[in-house]
Amino acid sequence: ETGVTQSPTHLIKTRGQQVTLRCSSQSGHNTVSWYQQALGQGPQFIFQYYREEENGRGNFPPRFSGLQFPNYSSELNVNALELDDSALYLCASSLGQFLSGYTFGSGTRLTVV
Amino acid sequence: DAKTTQPTSMDCAEGRAANLPCNHSTISGNEYVYWYRQIHSQGPQYIIHGLKNNETNEMASLIITEDRKSSTLILPHATLRDTAVYYCIVRVDRGSEKLVFGKGTKLTVNP
Repeated sequence: ETGVTQSPTHLIKTRGQQVTLRCSSQSGHNTVSWYQQALGQGPQFIFQYYREEENGRGNFPPRFSGLQFPNYSSELNVNALELDDSALYLCASSLGQFLSGYTFGSGTRLTVV
Repeated sequence: DAKTTQPTSMDCAEGRAANLPCNHSTISGNEYVYWYRQIHSQGPQYIIHGLKNNETNEMASLIITEDRKSSTLILPHATLRDTAVYYCIVRVDRGSEKLVFGKGTKLTVNP
């Protein structure tokens, strides 16, 4: 049984650029959530996708958007990057609406310069 | 906002039990207590969760007070690999609900 894999592991972008981060869910999981973790802070919820539909969103601007594909993999897109977007971006998958716990990937470290 | 209060940091000797407290005085009747940990540069890892009964699994034990306003995560024999940030989270057991992380407790296990 594979876990959650994220790519790339590290990324450097320039302010104003756009970035796409990818996540492959754990086998059998149909729900994907994305979190942003700034240095020294706990992860902050960005949004969740369930069966390809957005199913909850945190306090993030519209330039943060996402997709979930039929195979339940997911993308996080961030437009017009700002310096404060520098963070660890975590993807978590789970099974449906009732769960015993998310499975997190190891994250993508994004640095905006 | 996070609904839990945890100490910022704790130390524990290797081989001894680590007891990590969490206060959640505003917990609702249908909210579970979840514990996750995050080892440096990795994603959070699920440890255990419970509603009102004490729970035990291969990683840890969870003790929830009778009034459910606080809980303790117990690592019975801490090892150096248990050094991590431990997060206590309360939420309903429904996938559409986000996990709200606080800053957690940084546990350092010393040799």
